[in-house]
Amino acid sequence: EPEVTQTPSHQVTQMGQEVILRCVPISNHLYFYWYRQILGQKVEFLVSFYNNEISEKSEIFDDQFSVERPDGSNFTLKIRSTKLEDSAMYFCASRGGSSYEQYFGPGTRLTVT
Amino acid sequence: QKEVEQNSGPLSVPEGAIASLNCTYSDRVSQSFFWYRQYSGKSPELIMSIYSNGDKEDGRFTAQLNKASQYVSLLIRDSQPSDSATYLCAGDYGQNFVFGPGTRLSVLP
Repeated sequence: EPEVTQTPSHQVTQMGQEVILRCVPISNHLYFYWYRQILGQKVEFLVSFYNNEISEKSEIFDDQFSVERPDGSNFTLKIRSTKLEDSAMYFCASRGGSSYEQYFGPGTRLTVT
Repeated sequence: QKEVEQNSGPLSVPEGAIASLNCTYSDRVSQSFFWYRQYSGKSPELIMSIYSNGDKEDGRFTAQLNKASQYVSLLIRDSQPSDSATYLCAGDYGQNFVFGPGTRLSVLP
C-alpha cells in the first residue's frame, strides 16, 4: 500500500541553524501539506501546496519557513533559523485529486537546543 | 474563527463495549470531517471520513455527522485494547485541516 515517507525521523539542531525536512508524498497525489505537533498539543496546519505553489499558509508559517518541490517526488520544508519553540513533530501529508482524505507520513521529530 | 472541540478524556471503556467519541465545530465553512487515530509518538492514521449528514459505517466504526448541530461523532463497537489511542477529529476548511485536541481512549481488558 502506498504511503508517505519522511526523513530524517529525528533531527537535532542548534538554535539559529537551518534545517530541511524531507517528504516523499504518495506518488499520484497532487496536494501536499505540512503540519506540526508540539508535544502534548494539537496538530497544527502550517502550509498547503498545489501545482508548484503555496495554496494557503497559517500564521505559524512566517518568513523563516519555506517549502519546495525540487523534483517530481520530494517535498521539503525548510526552517532558515531555528528557534527553541520550533521543537515539535513535523508531519507531511498528501491527498489525491478526487478525495479530500489526507494521509500522513510518520513524522520528523525536530529538537532545537 | 475555525475551532474543532473534543473532550480530552481519558475515556475508559471495558473491552467489548461501545466507545463514543464526540466532536463539535464552530465554523460553518467545513463540509467534510475526518477521524484519525494517533498512538503515542506516532502520526495520525486516517480511520474514516464523512461528508454528508447521517451515519457512515466501516467495520467496527460508525461516524455520525449532524451539520445543523455542528456535531460529529465516532462510535467504536466491540472495543479492543488495541483501540487504546488518541482520536483526533478534523474539519476540512478548504486548503487545510483544523484538528481538535483529541480524546484519549483507554480500553480496559
